[in-house]
Amino acid sequence: DAGVIQSPRHEVTEMGQEVTLRCKPISGHNSLFWYRQTMMRGLELLIYFNNNVPIDDSGMPEDRFSAKMPNASFSTLKIQPSEPRDSAVYFCASSQGASEAFFGQGTRLTVV
Amino acid sequence: QKEVEQNSGPLSVPEGAIASLNCTYSDRGSQSFFWYRQYSGKSPELIMSIYSNGDKEDGRFTAQLNKASQYVSLLIRDSQPSDSATYLCAVRTTVAGGTSYGKLTFGQGTILTVHP
Repeated sequence: DAGVIQSPRHEVTEMGQEVTLRCKPISGHNSLFWYRQTMMRGLELLIYFNNNVPIDDSGMPEDRFSAKMPNASFSTLKIQPSEPRDSAVYFCASSQGASEAFFGQGTRLTVV
Repeated sequence: QKEVEQNSGPLSVPEGAIASLNCTYSDRGSQSFFWYRQYSGKSPELIMSIYSNGDKEDGRFTAQLNKASQYVSLLIRDSQPSDSATYLCAVRTTVAGGTSYGKLTFGQGTILTVHP
């Protein structure tokens, strides 16, 4: 298996623009997590899905953030409009049941 | 109280020594416990998983779980410079009713440096 695949790897955008991050989980995994990592706040859980259904989005910082999982093999995290404080590394991870989660390589987002 | 807390570090040990990393969690309903290692600029990678009380050994790594004390630890024996990284403790809960799987929450990480 190719593992969790995220795109793009790097994104530089101007403040106010819409940003869409993409994730393909490992085939057969039924849980998907979106995290944001910064030096100040560490690895924060934004939202997670079980069987394509959002279970807990309490970590989503504002209404500017939204996430979808239209099917078992694809998820998106959207920020609209983006702000400089959204600059961070965004990780997607997937797991099967309650077992360990595997991470994608991350998307480094810079909002200028 | 944070959901998952790790000893703040940074931790520095000489090569060949034992490194001890600690983690406490607040949710007694937590079921699965993990240690991840993250090198600078890379994504977290799993080192150990533990699900029941006691010790679990894998090579130079030993994870210890005490659910009564809500405590998880990781011991690294014969530490090597290549072990220098950030170590992340992660805890997964079960959703009330047990029909689904809960969120996976990480501690803030402990930076370990192994010096020759």
